[in-house]
Amino acid sequence: GENVEQHPSTLSVQEGDSAVIKCTYSDSASNYFPWYKQELGKRPQLIIDIRSNVGEKKDQRIAVTLNKTAKHFSLHITETQPEDSAVYFCAASKRGSGANSKLTFGKGITLSVRP
Amino acid sequence: EPEVTQTPSHQVTQMGQEVILRCVPISNHLYFYWYRQILGQKVEFLVSFYNNEISEKSEIFDDQFSVERPDGSNFTLKIRSTKLEDSAMYFCASRFGAADTQYFGPGTRLTVL
Repeated sequence: GENVEQHPSTLSVQEGDSAVIKCTYSDSASNYFPWYKQELGKRPQLIIDIRSNVGEKKDQRIAVTLNKTAKHFSLHITETQPEDSAVYFCAASKRGSGANSKLTFGKGITLSVRP
Repeated sequence: EPEVTQTPSHQVTQMGQEVILRCVPISNHLYFYWYRQILGQKVEFLVSFYNNEISEKSEIFDDQFSVERPDGSNFTLKIRSTKLEDSAMYFCASRFGAADTQYFGPGTRLTVL
């Protein structure tokens, strides 16, 4: 089955700097890669996602890149702000495979933005 | 904006007891999931449910677990005889269609003593 690895496990950046979080996946059939942000005590919230037919997607300060050959994808946050501090989870899924499309998650990274 | 809701937010139970975790998915969604997260570990898939039946389950989802959609709004996860290692945060998720985003509930923290 799919295995998603996420690294590093913690990341601390200065406010205004960029943060990059990387994930690798094992199943070349995976074709959908969402990123979830989870603030303390709250539910995971989707912040951006990418499909395998696209190499990069951007939404304001957040971007995701996908390298299908190397089977890795990355989350880029520019001009970080203290409110970006949270746990970030990457995940992989096979969209269009019927009723399932379960998500396989990475372990999560705790991002701390120092004011 | 509609949200997935879960009750209770925290459940404490004795080992061997049965627990039922409740979820109310977003009203027009058709696909339902349960995930769990043991403290400090990955969010893990437990089971997916569509058209009133289980579509896939993980190796974690053994005979002690069951799911049910008893009416048009609730989606429940039952653990028949809880073990210490069942202590975790349990997330419900739902989505509308096959190509749509999964939306997560706030989770139920289950503590088995």
